[in-house]
Amino acid sequence: DAGVIQSPRHEVTEMGQEVTLRCKPISGHNSLFWYRQTMMRGLELLIYFNNNVPIDDSGMPEDRFSAKMPNASFSTLKIQPSEPRDSAVYFCASSFYAGNTIYFGEGSWLTVV
Amino acid sequence: AQKVTQAQTEISVVEKEDVTLDCVYETRDTTYYLFWYKQPPSGELVFLIRRNSFDEQNEISGRYSWNFQKSTSSFNFTITASQVVDSAVYFCALIISGGSYIPTFGRGTSLIVHP
Repeated sequence: DAGVIQSPRHEVTEMGQEVTLRCKPISGHNSLFWYRQTMMRGLELLIYFNNNVPIDDSGMPEDRFSAKMPNASFSTLKIQPSEPRDSAVYFCASSFYAGNTIYFGEGSWLTVV
Repeated sequence: AQKVTQAQTEISVVEKEDVTLDCVYETRDTTYYLFWYKQPPSGELVFLIRRNSFDEQNEISGRYSWNFQKSTSSFNFTITASQVVDSAVYFCALIISGGSYIPTFGRGTSLIVHP
């Protein structure tokens, strides 16, 4: 079975550009999470969807960040405009139901120069 | 509010040594789930184990074993006869049942196994 699929795996972009990260959760999973990982802050939850509905977005840093889940098999995390401090690894993760094991994608490594 | 503490920031051992990674959690709830994940140098987060609060049985999987003790709110992870491939960052996590179901992760323990 395919795991959580993220794209792009690596992205280098210039400050001010729009960045869109994509995620396909494991089929049948109804909970989806976006995390950001940096050396300074560790693993931070950005947003949590359940049945395509955002349940908790308190971790979204600011208005430059937005996330959508138009259907059960696709989610995007958008940064506009991007800044160097957004450089991090962004993980998407999904679980079959809330409380069950969360499976992570391989991450999207973002560098903003 | 819940909290997960991994007090060991970094552990360095020589191959074949046994090593225990500590995880202490805090919650007032009686139903919860505990997890361990491994993050090797390649960066992906790999699920290792899930344990619910009503199952205090220790678990062994090959060289890996987990000791869950509710009395001390700990869920420690032991690697027996460590190998270089065990070098990774290990995260402990907690999910409260009936709450937001948002996992709380520890800061991770970096394990370095020297040949």
